[in-house]
Amino acid sequence: NAGVTQTPKFQVLKTGQSMTLQCAQDMNHNSMYWYRQDPGMGLRLIYYSASEGTTDKGEVPNGYNVSRLNKREFSLRLESAAPSQTSVYFCASSVSPRANYGYTFGSGTRLTVV
Amino acid sequence: AQSVTQPDIHITVSEGASLELRCNYSYGATPYLFWYVQSPGQGLQLLLKYFSGDTLVQGIKGFEAEFKRSQSSFNLRKPSVHWSDAAEYFCAVGAKEYGNKLVFGAGTILRVKS
Repeated sequence: NAGVTQTPKFQVLKTGQSMTLQCAQDMNHNSMYWYRQDPGMGLRLIYYSASEGTTDKGEVPNGYNVSRLNKREFSLRLESAAPSQTSVYFCASSVSPRANYGYTFGSGTRLTVV
Repeated sequence: AQSVTQPDIHITVSEGASLELRCNYSYGATPYLFWYVQSPGQGLQLLLKYFSGDTLVQGIKGFEAEFKRSQSSFNLRKPSVHWSDAAEYFCAVGAKEYGNKLVFGAGTILRVKS
């Protein structure tokens, strides 16, 4: 019962480098989400995918792109990393786009951009 | 602006003492309400949730929360805190005004002193 798996757990990038954060869920959930967590700001939604084949912007999408590869996988890409993107990134999934089911979270990726 | 407010950034309680963490929201309709807990270096774990019905909901680890419509609040309580409860606690709201996606408060860090 893995739930939501994120890789890598830690990453250090230089400014301008690119990378992709991977997320996979094995719960047959339809909806997936990417959040970033910064001290004192809680979690802010970057992008989400209500169902396979769809993606939409959240509150803070600038500098990121996403791909819903299939029902299980939802990746987040930083094309040209900036120090402002230093954060902890969480992937989450839910049964449906309706929030009443709540979300299941992965353990996070701690990203530092120097 | 629509928001979720956790007024206390840090709270320190003695082991065995009671705990109340505050959460207020500004959405108009009755939203879906959640409390999550995050231990250091971990993802978020769902403690409890409220959709409708009885306004006092029970969760895991001995936590409960009460929905008060008149105060737009959903405060988390525990009668007797254990040292293992030290963590960060997030209130989250799923509201139609936000496309039914979860919006998180900034979090409250709980410290337990022995």
